[in-house]
Amino acid sequence: TQLLEQSPQFLSIQEGENLTVYCNSSSVFSSLQWYRQEPGEGPVLLVTVVTGGEVKKLKRLTFQFGDARKDSSLHITAAQPGDTGLYLCAGVGAGGTSYGKLTFGQGTILTVHP
Amino acid sequence: ETGVTQTPRHLVMGMTNKKSLKCEQHLGHNAMYWYKQSAKKPLELMFVYNFKEQTENNSVPSRFSPECPNSSHLFLHLHTLQPEDSALYLCASSQDVQGNEKLFFGSGTQLSVL
Repeated sequence: TQLLEQSPQFLSIQEGENLTVYCNSSSVFSSLQWYRQEPGEGPVLLVTVVTGGEVKKLKRLTFQFGDARKDSSLHITAAQPGDTGLYLCAGVGAGGTSYGKLTFGQGTILTVHP
Repeated sequence: ETGVTQTPRHLVMGMTNKKSLKCEQHLGHNAMYWYKQSAKKPLELMFVYNFKEQTENNSVPSRFSPECPNSSHLFLHLHTLQPEDSALYLCASSQDVQGNEKLFFGSGTQLSVL
């Protein structure tokens, strides 16, 4: 069974600060997805990273896939209140019984105060 | 607008009630999913349907009974639930069932079992 550990579980910061959310596993993934979920809504896909070492940018958000494809990070620069939400990482299994299966982390709840 | 609509948004039911959750996708996708989201736990995959055929049942108790009459509609029939079944139930769809596919989620049904 694949496990994805996200840290921190909770993050409360002031507007303008920078932050990083981590997603770690001992398993290798063929790709990794990041979702954001706002209160009362379902998760919305932000980005998919596929290649080891890949870096993708989405405005103030920077996503990185680890070289060994076992971990990923999300960095937000100059956070804004609109960034508030639950951030979820999800990895697609690369082999064995988990091949092709999507496993979610438990999420990071981010609150950005004005 | 994600194209995936879930009803009802909120549901309160007693342990002896029978109720159904409904999901409809307007995206022309072939795969549909039921997920359970509980506080501080990763999203749990419950059922997967591909071209209206069930392809995965993640050891879900029989008090949850899915139905997929066509590729656009998915139901989750509930009966004799337990208080620990209280959670947010999310429906999702994707073009195909492969793990790399982008998931489109509905807004969920917040279920409370009394």
